[in-house]
Amino acid sequence: SQQGEEDPQALSIQEGENATMNCSYKTSINNLQWYRQNSGRGLVHLILIRSNEREKHSGRLRVTLDTSKKSSSLLITASRAADTASYFCATVLVGGSNYKLTFGKGTLLTVNP
Amino acid sequence: NAGVMQNPRHLVRRRGQEARLRCSPMKGHSHVYWYRQLPEEGLKFMVYLQKENIIDESGMPKERFSAEFPKEGPSILRIQQVVRGDSAAYFCASSPDRLNEKLFFGSGTQLSVL
Repeated sequence: SQQGEEDPQALSIQEGENATMNCSYKTSINNLQWYRQNSGRGLVHLILIRSNEREKHSGRLRVTLDTSKKSSSLLITASRAADTASYFCATVLVGGSNYKLTFGKGTLLTVNP
Repeated sequence: NAGVMQNPRHLVRRRGQEARLRCSPMKGHSHVYWYRQLPEEGLKFMVYLQKENIIDESGMPKERFSAEFPKEGPSILRIQQVVRGDSAAYFCASSPDRLNEKLFFGSGTQLSVL
């Protein structure tokens, strides 16, 4: 089974609402990253949170990490139609290399205007 | 900065043919990584290359797959004698060094094997 699994698989909201996506993982990590993928495009790095951090902000993004529960959440506030994309969490395992990311299957976010 | 460039975007091959996927890293990046995304799965690491060297190929299937990153030109992921199970999206990423925690991904090549 997947090291990282996003939940929900799909999320549909109205513009202006907040979107929350969750990621659970199984093995201890060095860091956890969130990426965005617009349809037909490459993945774009959004934010990285290290295992000794609990919360991180970047613009309208807020990421939390709970290592005791082996879970992370990505909150997008005041969503826009342009936020419509697939969102993936990716982990770097303890002792692993930064380039060897383990990705989940992603959450498809649709923001309706 | 043009970003990571992959071509072709779509590649159709019949079983038994060869597939060649190309990746040009971002300007100034000398580290290239290939990932594969099978249908209904997350991206999985395949191989890490620097110029003229394969650093880590632990994610590469042992047979039919090979990768190179020559001194001049793009990185090439080569799949010989393709089978239907090779159908997937293949993504290339690059970074300026191996310690960099942020990978820059290309738009991918969608390989379809008929």
